[in-house]
Amino acid sequence: GENVEQHPSTLSVQEGDSAVIKCTYSDSASNYFPWYKQELGKGPQLIIDIRSNVGEKKDQRIAVTLNKTAKHFSLHITETQPEDSAVYFCAASASNTGNQFYFGTGTSLTVIP
Amino acid sequence: DSGVTQTPKHLITATGQRVTLRCSPRSGDLSVYWYQQSLDQGLQFLIQYYNGEERAKGNILERFSAQQFPDLHSELNLSSLELGDSALYFCASSATQGYPGNTIYFGEGSWLTVV
Repeated sequence: GENVEQHPSTLSVQEGDSAVIKCTYSDSASNYFPWYKQELGKGPQLIIDIRSNVGEKKDQRIAVTLNKTAKHFSLHITETQPEDSAVYFCAASASNTGNQFYFGTGTSLTVIP
Repeated sequence: DSGVTQTPKHLITATGQRVTLRCSPRSGDLSVYWYQQSLDQGLQFLIQYYNGEERAKGNILERFSAQQFPDLHSELNLSSLELGDSALYFCASSATQGYPGNTIYFGEGSWLTVV
């Protein structure tokens, strides 16, 4: 089955700096890659996603890049703010597995004011 | 608000007991997923239902079972509870099953503490 690895497990940045979280996947059939943000005591919320026919997607301060050949995708957050502090999860899904999602182990991001 | 509703939000019970967690998916969503999240753990997939039928099974213990009802709400039953079952249990839903790129939306979770 699919194996998703996520790095780093913890990340601290100064407010205003950029943060990058990286994920790799193993199944070349995976074709959908969402990112979720989980605040303390809450459920994961979708913040951005990318499909395999696209190399990059941007939404304001958040961007995701996908390298299908290398089987890795990354989340980029620019101009970080304290409210960006949360745990971020990447995931991979393949249509031939019935839309089952495989999650990374999460990155705890702390933005220092 | 994702539109996925889970009850109860918090639950404390004793070892050996049985509990039922309930989930109402987003309006129109046919697929329901259950995930377990323990302290310092990621999201562990338990089971998926689509339109009342089991579609995929993950690391779900035999003591656990789930079902999806005709009105599409789902219940996760946890029996013979052990201390290690203490976790946050999430329900998620999506519109269709097997459609490429169809994302899932999570509820706020049910905190289960076994004492």
